Amino acid sequence: QSVLTQPPSMSAAPGQKVTISCSGSRSNIGNNYVSWYQQLPGTAPKLLIYDNNKRPSGIPDRFSGSKSGTSATLGITGLQTGDEADYYCGTWDSSLSAFVFGIGTKVTVL
Amino acid sequence: QVTLRESGPALVKATQTLTLTCTCSGFSLSTSGMCVSWIRQPPGKALEWLARIDWDDDKYYITSLKTRLTISKDTSKNQVVLTMTNMDPVDTATYYCARILGSGWSGMDVWGQGTTVTVSS
Repeated sequence: QSVLTQPPSMSAAPGQKVTISCSGSRSNIGNNYVSWYQQLPGTAPKLLIYDNNKRPSGIPDRFSGSKSGTSATLGITGLQTGDEADYYCGTWDSSLSAFVFGIGTKVTVL
Repeated sequence: QVTLRESGPALVKATQTLTLTCTCSGFSLSTSGMCVSWIRQPPGKALEWLARIDWDDDKYYITSLKTRLTISKDTSKNQVVLTMTNMDPVDTATYYCARILGSGWSGMDVWGQGTTVTVSS
């Protein structure tokens, strides 16, 4: 288990939107930046969102991030088959003095 | 182009010490604000952050493994080294190194391809 809670799986049809939640507490999401990572099968994770809602260069604007209180959200619009992957949220936890990841959400494109 | 590449043994025996090396290119570990982390992922499981080292040699460790981990850097080779003592089969995982964006905890923007380590009993 993790101090960050994500749904284990989500699915949607091509072209649709998925919203992945990441719930934490004041010691982690509540007071620190959230980042999101995409891990395609058999590959290393890739940074999608940093500082809650910023996209690194090269990441399409179909991916968006937001944070409110102790929860964060990753949105993916215009879902494509190439978006099938595991998605992880991550943040610093001040109580644990450690960077923590969520359990990951497997997104399936129907 | 910024790249990181992990290297180390693919197989270690239980109780042995694991030494992994992360060779960085495209940036200097001695540049102010540069920080590198190690992360691992057991087969079929989630990512787990292990340790971080900063340009000024500040170090951070996951509490649960702190007594077994040592992170260090060789700026002349631009490498970050992670050692983990007393290896156990549960430590079987793919180990990644990643550069941290900025000097805070904004995110890890460049990852190595990972190196798989199997611990035999």
